[in-house]
Amino acid sequence: IAGITQAPTSQILAAGRRMTLRCTQDMRHNAMYWYRQDLGLGLRLIHYSNTAGTTGKGEVPDGYSVSRANTDDFPLTLASAVPSQTSVYFCASSEGQANTEAFFGQGTRLTVV
Amino acid sequence: GENVEQHPSTLSVQEGDSAVIKCTYSDSASNYFPWYKQELGKGPQLIIDIRSNVGEKKDQRIAVTLNKTAKHFSLHITETQPEDSAVYFCAASKQTGANNLFFGTGTRLTVIP
Repeated sequence: IAGITQAPTSQILAAGRRMTLRCTQDMRHNAMYWYRQDLGLGLRLIHYSNTAGTTGKGEVPDGYSVSRANTDDFPLTLASAVPSQTSVYFCASSEGQANTEAFFGQGTRLTVV
Repeated sequence: GENVEQHPSTLSVQEGDSAVIKCTYSDSASNYFPWYKQELGKGPQLIIDIRSNVGEKKDQRIAVTLNKTAKHFSLHITETQPEDSAVYFCAASKQTGANNLFFGTGTRLTVIP
């Protein structure tokens, strides 16, 4: 069982460029999430999706967009990257409101220069 | 929104000693408190959680205590081993599911053999 797969593992991106971080889960979880992890700030929620077809904003949504066309995939898009978006991005999933454990991917290290 | 503070930011213990990490939260409505362990290059992984209807929960060498009145909760690791070395995050939520998780800033635990 793969769990959650994120791609790419790392990326260096020029400022102003568009970038999509990919996330796929094979656990048939209803809920999926995107977090960013910055030194000294812990993990902060960017966007979430409680079920396919719905999305919501987290704590730090500005500059990011998401879509949830099906259960398995939850891509995160940076429309025009800025250096402050340099971070490690984690995708996570959970069965939904009734199940509390969140399963995290390995992360994508993004550097915007 | 919820504010979770975590201390200490770094902790070094001798193998076999105990380690304690403490967190406080601000929102009295929070009722779910998980702890995640993050090893180098990996995503966070749930190690234990506690809900507001109990004061203590134990799983082998790890335990979590919750004081709702004081709004703080703690992770206790006994008989520490080198493989316990990692970054630990506490979190708080008002409902089940990870879309409302607020994380602390993390504690880097080093167990010295």
